[in-house]
Parts: sequence; C-alpha cells; structure tokens
Amino acid sequence: QQQVKQSPQSLIVQKGGISIINCAYENTAFDYFPWYQQFPGKGPALLIAIRPDVSEKKEGRFTISFNKSAKQFSLHIMDSQPGDSATYFCAASRMGKSTFGDGTTLTVKP
Amino acid sequence: NAGVTQTPKFQVLKTGQSMTLQCAQDMNHEYMSWYRQDPGMGLRLIHYSVGAGITDQGEVPNGYNVSRSTTEDFPLRLLSAAPSQTSVYFCATEAGNTEAFFGQGTRLTVV
Repeated sequence: QQQVKQSPQSLIVQKGGISIINCAYENTAFDYFPWYQQFPGKGPALLIAIRPDVSEKKEGRFTISFNKSAKQFSLHIMDSQPGDSATYFCAASRMGKSTFGDGTTLTVKP
Repeated sequence: NAGVTQTPKFQVLKTGQSMTLQCAQDMNHEYMSWYRQDPGMGLRLIHYSVGAGITDQGEVPNGYNVSRSTTEDFPLRLLSAAPSQTSVYFCATEAGNTEAFFGQGTRLTVV
C-alpha cells in the first residue's frame, strides 16, 4: 500500500520556468510534510517543509502549497535554474517515521 | 561535527554472506532510521528506532536486523545476503518530527 503518491516521475523545464511537483497522502495522522532534494551519489537533503496547520510556505524560489482537506501538497520552484536539476522526494512523517514518494527527476535546460 | 556517518560507502557481497552496515550520529537525535533506495521506488523504510533500546520494523524489514544500544549508533545487519538486497542504503536521524539528516549512503551489490 503506497501511502504517498508523487507525480510526475520526471519533469523537463526550461531555465526560468516554473517546476511543479505534486504529492498525495492517505494517512491523516501524518503531521510533517518535507521535500528533499537529492543529487547523484549524495543523500537526500531537506529543501523545505510544512506542517498541516499552514496552507503555504515560501522560502526563496521554493514554495509548498498544502491542501489538508484534499490530502495533497505540492512543490513549486520558481525561476528554475540548471543547478536545480536533481531528484526531488516528498515525504509524510509522524514521530520520526517517514513515508516517501517515489521521486521526481527534474531537468532544467539552459 | 560530522552529522551522520555511514560505513562502508561501497560493498560487494556474495549470496549468503552476512555483513553489518554501520551508522553513527553526533547530533544527539533520538530518532534513527534505515532506508533502502531502489531505482524508481523512492526510499523505503527498513527499520527505525525512537531511542536507545527501542526498535521497530518499517515497510521492508525482512532479511535485516537492527539494534540500538546507544543513542549514537544504529547498525543494520544483513543475515544472509540475497541479490534482491542489492540497493543503496541510507541511514537518517532526526530530533522528532523535524528535518531528517541523511548519511552519504552505502552502495551494496550482492552477487
């Protein structure tokens, strides 16, 4: 049973464009929703995170939109840059136990 | 401050061999987890621990054992390696419903 579904699997965006990645979860007990960025050969690193009492969080070019009633959240990357090319994972967490989406490979073309 | 240290970085095992993947953290975090990452499947939780002496199974625990005798260390044991255990293994720590910090990973190949 996949508790966190992520889409799309891959995404190609032109430099300066907007990248959007979506996730949906099933378990309403989750109370922490992070996005991780992973470069080849490295471990995932936190990009931005949100808690369910907030509908949107913005940090620089990165924004999370959270819809509690729909059990969905998304990552928006504004002004996408070639350096943003990486794999992105959404996750849903509770008490130190995280469930991850399958990942989105983002390629930003110069 | 090293954060989360995993050893070894690479390992090749023969089917049936056993080995231990080491994970050590210096962040004084209570929560530690082991994940495996396979192409197109994201990270799947193998085992996790909410503190010294307490462990529990995750999504894919079969073939793996863990123990947590100290806050700092959380080793993952493969009892009898199988080709299906070929994967990249990540150890992670967190303070509790906050950011997870990952090690650099161990790339394991079972032949």
